[in-house]
Amino acid sequence: GAVVSQHPSWVICKSGTSVKIECRSLDFQATTMFWYRQFPKQSLMLMATSNEGSKATYEQGVEKDKFLINHASLTLSTLTVTSAHPEDSSFYICSAPGQGGSYEQYFGPGTRLTVT
Amino acid sequence: DAKTTQPTSMDCAEGRAANLPCNHSTISGNEYVYWYRQIHSQGPQYIIHGLKNNETNEMASLIITEDRKSSTLILPHATLRDTAVYYCIVGASYNTDKLIFGTGTRLQVFP
Repeated sequence: GAVVSQHPSWVICKSGTSVKIECRSLDFQATTMFWYRQFPKQSLMLMATSNEGSKATYEQGVEKDKFLINHASLTLSTLTVTSAHPEDSSFYICSAPGQGGSYEQYFGPGTRLTVT
Repeated sequence: DAKTTQPTSMDCAEGRAANLPCNHSTISGNEYVYWYRQIHSQGPQYIIHGLKNNETNEMASLIITEDRKSSTLILPHATLRDTAVYYCIVGASYNTDKLIFGTGTRLQVFP
């Protein structure tokens, strides 16, 4: 099946700094990608829809100036957490829809962010 | 908000069938039922989907009631590797639409 990768798999940063997370579709193109956040023992919460060549669509309550999304190519979307705080510590997961009539979305392995 | 209701947790003996129920009483006529699972600290994995007919693939079977208000995911011979959180999601027929995850069912398969 199709593969979605994320980089880094885990990152530790200091409070007030910014961190960038990459999401790549390795063997297919994705004009749309999705970003989720997951806190311990909770479900995935959709943050935004990343659209290639245009602005991302954010879910209600998600600060677009804090979580910057850039989808500059058909295989790469990036999520930048700006001025990170300890409460931004979470598991960030991206997904991309499969092609060719596929009904499924392919999820990346996730990035664990810890803000100290 | 998620349109589905699932039990919080279930147990299943290894080798037995695991039957995971899901209620989706407000499902629309053109909406599909999708099942994904998430093994600890990994990204979710697609399992199966259906509209109104029962479906089977190499991983599982999906039974949808005639009124489409509920469904059951069946893992015919559960193994320890099937221990995961299982999410039932109601969504559009096209995979470019967003998925809204509910709380899911934590399935524990024991030896």
